[in-house]
Amino acid sequence: GAGVSQSPSNKVTEKGKDVELRCDPISGHTALYWYRQSLGQGLEFLIYFQGNSAPDKSGLPSDRFSAERTGGSVSTLTIQRTQQEDSAVYLCASSLVGYQPQHFGDGTRLSIL
Amino acid sequence: AQTVTQSQPEMSVQEAETVTLSCTYDTSESNYYLFWYKQPPSRQMILVIRQEAYKQQNATENRFSVNFQKAAKSFSLKISDSQLGDTAMYFCAFMKQDDYKLSFGAGTTVTVRA
Repeated sequence: GAGVSQSPSNKVTEKGKDVELRCDPISGHTALYWYRQSLGQGLEFLIYFQGNSAPDKSGLPSDRFSAERTGGSVSTLTIQRTQQEDSAVYLCASSLVGYQPQHFGDGTRLSIL
Repeated sequence: AQTVTQSQPEMSVQEAETVTLSCTYDTSESNYYLFWYKQPPSRQMILVIRQEAYKQQNATENRFSVNFQKAAKSFSLKISDSQLGDTAMYFCAFMKQDDYKLSFGAGTTVTVRA
């Protein structure tokens, strides 16, 4: 596609539910990144994919968070047993390869009731 | 760990005027990249300008230019001839060479007044 596409745009869910956030990177971009943007913490790095591999998961806040990427393209970020502190905007970015400028999607605003 | 500091939470500028946003960073690395990203209300982070630390020449992109002072670890953004569409939050970001993580500052909200 022309740009990084994220879905859904907004998600409201109850505490304790699982959620899946999707990212479709720019065609041909091998590197994919997830960031979280929250009022208290600013913009935080979560995870990096090169192809289907995730060499760096160091930013995932807890074991309730997981991510996968299939076919070197679409990625899914899953949050299990959501908590109120998970409320944030989740941004996905992609680049041709690692170390290249990152291009961001519009993000998913996640609200936990 | 790298830290990026943006000391101006908010700035306001009249249309057609110039505004300068400050950014300082702390690193022991000698090779790295610096970025300015713009985030309008639509939420999409848009890359405005990129600077390689090994380049002495300041980067420019149309009305956007930077003042990169490596010794002072300072990386300010100047927006010339401000337009209403420049209204957004602006983030300064740092990335080590051969790395992939962006470290962001807290952001500066810029409002352009008609």
